[in-house]
Amino acid sequence: QQKVQQSPESLIVPEGGMASLNCTSSDRNVDYFWWYRQHSGKSPKMLMSIFSNGEKEEGRFTVHLNKASLHTSLHIRDSQPSDSALYLCAASTSGSWQLIFGSGTQLTVMP
Amino acid sequence: GALVYQYPRRTICKSGTSMRMECQAVGFQATSVAWYRQSPQKTFELIALSTVNSAIKYEQNFTQEKFPISHPNLSFSSMTVLNAYLEDRGLYLCGARAGGWTEVFFGKGTRLTVV
Repeated sequence: QQKVQQSPESLIVPEGGMASLNCTSSDRNVDYFWWYRQHSGKSPKMLMSIFSNGEKEEGRFTVHLNKASLHTSLHIRDSQPSDSALYLCAASTSGSWQLIFGSGTQLTVMP
Repeated sequence: GALVYQYPRRTICKSGTSMRMECQAVGFQATSVAWYRQSPQKTFELIALSTVNSAIKYEQNFTQEKFPISHPNLSFSSMTVLNAYLEDRGLYLCGARAGGWTEVFFGKGTRLTVV
């Protein structure tokens, strides 16, 4: 079983809608989460990272983290067609910087 | 800004042959470099993690004998896929980091096709 699980596998939202993506780690040592976005044919680009419990907002993007359940979620409000991409969640643990990625959520924003 | 150049972008090799891919960090010192493979089904696998002046750590299912890596300085890393077969197809990505909890910068990837 993968250490980082993402859901849903794919998501379709209308333009202007809210997209919510989930990520959970099964490794209790994980304490840092990263969200990357990968457009088709491109390399992943980091969107946001989160270490502390709670919420972090940057523009239309909000990330939540619950350290007790090792669950993080990414919410995109006012979704745009240009947000259509593969969203990858990655986790890392103290003392190791290696990132373990989930399989991703394929987001499609319909105009 | 910080960038990672990865080349070649695409390569086709015959089954049983080998190919080498390279990554160059620009604008920062790549203390650590990780090599990943993204399968056609989008699964992201960590192949190995290389830190300058430390031993290279390979993940389960990946070996130095199959994927030898060189990381001679703070700006360059290379990986070779030896005896490539169909199951080695995919997008190979290098990710470099300066250290600590800094962002990992990815190269654009090398897409390997095996025929």
